[in-house]
Amino acid sequence: TQLLEQSPQFLSIQEGENLTVYCNSSSVFSSLQWYRQEPGEGPVLLVTVVTGGEVKKLKRLTFQFGDARKDSSLHITAAQPGDTGLYLCAGLFTTGNQFYFGTGTSLTVIP
Amino acid sequence: KAGVTQTPRYLIKTRGQQVTLSCSPISGHRSVSWYQQTPGQGLQFLFEYFSETQRNKGNFPGRFSGRQFSNSRSEMNVSTLELGDSALYLCASSLIAGGPSGQTQYFGPGTRLLVL
Repeated sequence: TQLLEQSPQFLSIQEGENLTVYCNSSSVFSSLQWYRQEPGEGPVLLVTVVTGGEVKKLKRLTFQFGDARKDSSLHITAAQPGDTGLYLCAGLFTTGNQFYFGTGTSLTVIP
Repeated sequence: KAGVTQTPRYLIKTRGQQVTLSCSPISGHRSVSWYQQTPGQGLQFLFEYFSETQRNKGNFPGRFSGRQFSNSRSEMNVSTLELGDSALYLCASSLIAGGPSGQTQYFGPGTRLLVL
């Protein structure tokens, strides 16, 4: 049973399009992180959100943490081929002391 | 500053054998966590070490074990390998262990293990 559900699992879009990736749980997070992983490499941290309703921007990437701290979204504006990769969310639950990862969203941006 | 290094990068073993993977964290980092990544299950937490002590442990059988040395380098051992142990094993280091503050984990490139 996955504690964090990510959707969609796969996404293939044309360069310039917008997209949103979701990360959901039935439990409350203390904090949530988004990572991007490229083939042959380990995940690289993009952002950490800790406050319900928080919105963070990283160039064309916008991260939102749900008010109830049970969900998060990653929105990419005008996707570029360099955005291609596996996007992972990782949550630290209020009842625990370790990060749980979602299964990831594999994004392909076609030039 | 050098990143997290893992050795070896690739490994092929047969069922029943054992394997030891190594991780060198970023200088100054005292926490090392290990993860198993497979296409079906995603990234799953194995265990975390901090100052040579195992602080957290995931839901894996006892065949999976680890240790951390005084210089914070860590090793992970898998005994009696099974086909299902084929995966990418990732190591991550951070300054501090656990905590809800969302501290940054820096991942190594991983060791890809294939069990035949």
